[in-house]
Amino acid sequence: DTAVSQTPKYLVTQMGNDKSIKCEQNLGHDTMYWYKQDSKKFLKIMFSYNNKELIINETVPNRFSPKSPDKAHLNLHINSLELGDSAVYFCASSRGGGFSEAFFGQGTRLTVV
Amino acid sequence: DQQVKQNSPSLSVQEGRISILNCDYTNSMFDYFLWYKKYPAEGPTFLISISSIKDKNEDGRFTVFLNKSAKHLSLHIVPSQPGDSAVYFCAASASMGGQNFVFGPGTRLSVLP
Repeated sequence: DTAVSQTPKYLVTQMGNDKSIKCEQNLGHDTMYWYKQDSKKFLKIMFSYNNKELIINETVPNRFSPKSPDKAHLNLHINSLELGDSAVYFCASSRGGGFSEAFFGQGTRLTVV
Repeated sequence: DQQVKQNSPSLSVQEGRISILNCDYTNSMFDYFLWYKKYPAEGPTFLISISSIKDKNEDGRFTVFLNKSAKHLSLHIVPSQPGDSAVYFCAASASMGGQNFVFGPGTRLSVLP
């Protein structure tokens, strides 16, 4: 009974393609996130949504577009993929409102060739 | 500009001994601090947290200490076990103005049998 699940776990695609990564949480949390772990292993926030509303949008190319159809889902769409987009992408969720931990999905390893 | 720093990329400890992982932060707005453990090909798993109103929080073998004046926190694992071998991330957030978890670069802990 996975709390935060993201699919697919691995994604290999060619430059220029458009792809999506799906994320679902069954914890009843109000806040969901996308993080990127780059080749240097840094975990950096990309987006944060609270109750389907975008609250954090870090400096991310506009080729990346999050979509939250409901509180339990936050999908990540990436257009015109580039080699530099290769990384591991993590979805997470939290209760929000401060002093609450985030729960992470298992990650999606994206490889752009 | 790293707001959360973990200056030791790796640490090796003998089984049964104490592991001490350190973390420093620069943003005085941070008031909630977390430690995550990450195994390869998995998402980060929440371990323990501490809010800025405390200076110590304990959970079984794991204790986190916070020194606000020095902007420093540490995670103590006693006794260390081989299963503790993983990458440990320190994270911080500011409870006001939206919850964004800022992660350090991680410390790889190896517990030797």
